[in-house]
Amino acid sequence: GAVVSQHPSWVICKSGTSVKIECRSLDFQATTMFWYRQFPKQSLMLMATSNEGSKATYEQGVEKDKFLINHASLTLSTLTVTSAHPEDSSFYICSGAGGSGQPQHFGDGTRLSIL
Amino acid sequence: AQSVTQLDSQVPVFEEAPVELRCNYSSSVSVYLFWYVQYPNQGLQLLLKYLSGSTLVKGINGFEAEFNKSQTSFHLRKPSVHISDTAEYFCAVSDRRSGGYQKVTFGTGTKLQVIP
Repeated sequence: GAVVSQHPSWVICKSGTSVKIECRSLDFQATTMFWYRQFPKQSLMLMATSNEGSKATYEQGVEKDKFLINHASLTLSTLTVTSAHPEDSSFYICSGAGGSGQPQHFGDGTRLSIL
Repeated sequence: AQSVTQLDSQVPVFEEAPVELRCNYSSSVSVYLFWYVQYPNQGLQLLLKYLSGSTLVKGINGFEAEFNKSQTSFHLRKPSVHISDTAEYFCAVSDRRSGGYQKVTFGTGTKLQVIP
């Protein structure tokens, strides 16, 4: 089946640093990639959607200057949390979809802890 | 706009007993429907999907779901659960856009606890 690899799986860093999370589709071309944030005991909240070679579309309330998304190829998207603060601590999950009508395939998530 | 309601936040069930996890949706357009499972500290894994055709959909790990358009439901069932089925289950819906991606709306999840 379709596999999405997300790296790193866990990161702990100091407040003020920037953190980059990678999302790779290993055996399919992800026309679109999605980035979600999941708070404890809650569902996934879509942060942004990106199509290869285009600027990401951010959901209302998500700061695009804080959460930088790059979708440089059909197999790689990155999310950079700039100047991270403790309130940015969360579980971030990416997914990729191969096209219309195709389900999203999810990475295993990244647990981000900002001290 | 579309929404998904998972009525039960937690469902405890004894091992080898049957289980049904409920999901209702609302949408002004035709939809695709999905069930995902999430194990602790992991991403979501697709259990099954309904795109078109037969309303009874069979997925992995012995799960199945039935699309009921009149009741706008897509309940997930398994005739006999195992300890390994303990996880959180998310129902999701997306609209049938032509071309391009589809924006998925997730329910709030149902935590299935299988009791030995």
